[in-house]
Amino acid sequence: GQQLNQSPQSMFIQEGEDVSMNCTSSSIFNTWLWYKQEPGEGPVLLIALYKAGELTSNGRLTAQFGITRKDSFLNISASIPSDVGIYFCAGRNFGNEKLTFGTGTRLTIIP
Amino acid sequence: NAGVTQTPKFQVLKTGQSMTLQCAQDMNHEYMSWYRQDPGMGLRLIHYSVGAGITDQGEVPNGYNVSRSTTEDFPLRLLSAAPSQTSVYFCASSYSIDNQPQHFGDGTRLSIL
Repeated sequence: GQQLNQSPQSMFIQEGEDVSMNCTSSSIFNTWLWYKQEPGEGPVLLIALYKAGELTSNGRLTAQFGITRKDSFLNISASIPSDVGIYFCAGRNFGNEKLTFGTGTRLTIIP
Repeated sequence: NAGVTQTPKFQVLKTGQSMTLQCAQDMNHEYMSWYRQDPGMGLRLIHYSVGAGITDQGEVPNGYNVSRSTTEDFPLRLLSAAPSQTSVYFCASSYSIDNQPQHFGDGTRLSIL
């Protein structure tokens, strides 16, 4: 099946630094989603992207739908302690029930 | 507004036992699904339903059954638990399939001994 490669697998950054992570696919998607998961909870949707080239922001988070439709990027500016968690990308196609998830990027903030 | 509610939160089973993981949503969503989350593998779709009375298989359906008798509830059944089914299980719902982001429950952590 489709594979989503998410990188990096983990990040250790200092509070206030910017964060960048990306997700690449072996095939195209019509929708890219970014989720955050905190310990003991389910994933929570952060940003949804529906068009190639689209750039969407949600507060300090910015995500982009790659032009090739095979990749997506998430940036977090001026990180704060509550940004800690695992970030997942997911891809989906129109009329398809299946979300294909990446393996996650674990973000740790160093005080 | 409870959203998606999963019970139990934790469960330990012996190999061969059966059990049902419960999922309920109060958002009148048509689409519901079950995922399992394993270390290093992201979330994988087990079964899904596009409405009451309709279910279908996802990516990893073997060893699991589902039913959808009401819009609100979508239980997942393990008929004969195996150690390979040790995982965290998430239920999700959305208004429809097409481009609607899914709302996830908080998960059921299941260990099979």
